[in-house]
Amino acid sequence: GIQVEQSPPDLILQEGANSTLRCNFSDSVNNLQWFHQNPWGQLINLFYIPSGTKQNGRLSATTVATERYSLLYISSSQTTDSGVYFCAVGTGANSKLTFGKGITLSVRP
Amino acid sequence: GAVVSQHPSRVICKSGTSVKIECRSLDFQATTMFWYRQFPKKSLMLMATSNEGSKATYEQGVEKDKFLINHASLTLSTLTVTSAHPEDSSFYICSARAGTGMNEQYFGPGTRLTVT
Repeated sequence: GIQVEQSPPDLILQEGANSTLRCNFSDSVNNLQWFHQNPWGQLINLFYIPSGTKQNGRLSATTVATERYSLLYISSSQTTDSGVYFCAVGTGANSKLTFGKGITLSVRP
Repeated sequence: GAVVSQHPSRVICKSGTSVKIECRSLDFQATTMFWYRQFPKKSLMLMATSNEGSKATYEQGVEKDKFLINHASLTLSTLTVTSAHPEDSSFYICSARAGTGMNEQYFGPGTRLTVT
C-alpha cells in the first residue's frame, strides 16, 4: 500500500517562530488532508489539498503532487498550536485515507 | 458545516460484553463512512469502510465478526465491538465523506473504550 512519511517527528518552537512540516507519499493520490489533533483527540481539518496552495490565517499548505510531497507552514506560532499534526493521503474510488505517523509540535511561551 | 458526532465519548465495559458506538453526520448526508482505531501516541489505522445500504469493507487483519458495522442511513453508522476483551481497549474514531467526487473526510470526536 501507499507509504506516508512525515518529518520531523518532533518539533519544539519558541512562541512567534515559523515552522515547516513535511509529508512525503509514495504514490499518486486523489486526496490529501492535514489535521491537527487536539489534546482531547479531536481531529481538526486544516486543509484539503491534493494539489496546489492554500492559506488560512497563519497556516498555509502546498502540495506538489508530481513530486509526491506536501508542506504545512505555520507562521508566528502560538502555544495553542501545540499538538500532533497528521498528514493523510487518499487513493482509490472511496479515497480511503492512509495516515502518516504524525508530527508532535510543542510551542513554548 | 460538516460536523460529525460520536456517541458515547467514553465507555467502560466488562470483558465479554458488547459495546455499540454511533457516528452521525449532523449537517450533510454521508454516502461513505470510515472507522479508525488509534492506540496511545500512535497514528490512526483504518479498520473499515462502510457505504450506505451495503456491507462494510474491512481492512486486512480486522475481524468482521468482532467489529460489526452497520450504515443503515445516510447520516448514521454504528460500530459494535462484540465480546470485548481488554486488548480491544482503544480510541475509536469515525469519519464521513459527503459523496462521490467529494473526497474530503470529516472526523468525529472519537470514543474511548476501556474494557476491564
